[in-house]
Amino acid sequence: AQSVTQLGSHVSVSEGALVLLRCNYSSSVPPYLFWYVQYPNQGLQLLLKYTTGATLVKGINGFEAEFKKSETSFHLTKPSAHMSDAAEYFCAVSDNTGGFKTIFGAGTRLFVKA
Amino acid sequence: DAGVIQSPRHEVTEMGQEVTLRCKPISGHNSLFWYRQTMMRGLELLIYFNNNVPIDDSGMPEDRFSAKMPNASFSTLKIQPSEPRDSAVYFCASRFGGTSYEQYFGPGTRLTVT
Repeated sequence: AQSVTQLGSHVSVSEGALVLLRCNYSSSVPPYLFWYVQYPNQGLQLLLKYTTGATLVKGINGFEAEFKKSETSFHLTKPSAHMSDAAEYFCAVSDNTGGFKTIFGAGTRLFVKA
Repeated sequence: DAGVIQSPRHEVTEMGQEVTLRCKPISGHNSLFWYRQTMMRGLELLIYFNNNVPIDDSGMPEDRFSAKMPNASFSTLKIQPSEPRDSAVYFCASRFGGTSYEQYFGPGTRLTVT
């Protein structure tokens, strides 16, 4: 069965500092992996996705994530945090068992300090 | 495209009343999902449809909840009778399928049951 674990429900960084949000997944077959962002009072928006091919994927707003099969990880990074990055971030996994049902992690709230 | 449309955006009702939430998915998408989000439980998948057919409703909390998708452009989530613990933000999302598998979320309906 699929599962997603996001390490840390809250992460706080200073503006300009590196952002690292951790995600580990479990899947019995090659997974599709996603990061979504949710701003206050809005729905989730796709930030980036990994399906096949290059393991380092780039998304919107300067974010990127690397699929590491050996570590079953898909951590999200951004070299320099901006105040506007403050939001909740969700990692998600989907595979071809169960009709590509998507499992979301519990979310990590990112705080950015001035 | 207008994106996923949900109505109403806010609903306040009294315990025992029937509540109907509505969703119009993105045109051409063949999968539709209903989620519930609360502080305590995070994001929960309630039910999802493929080609208007319910595939997995294991997340529907009780018989008080029901969902329909009479055609490819409309779905409803009904709660009857409503209870205070149903208070949450309900999201609808749609997906094209193909080789993408990312979901597009609506803005949500904030339900308050008093």
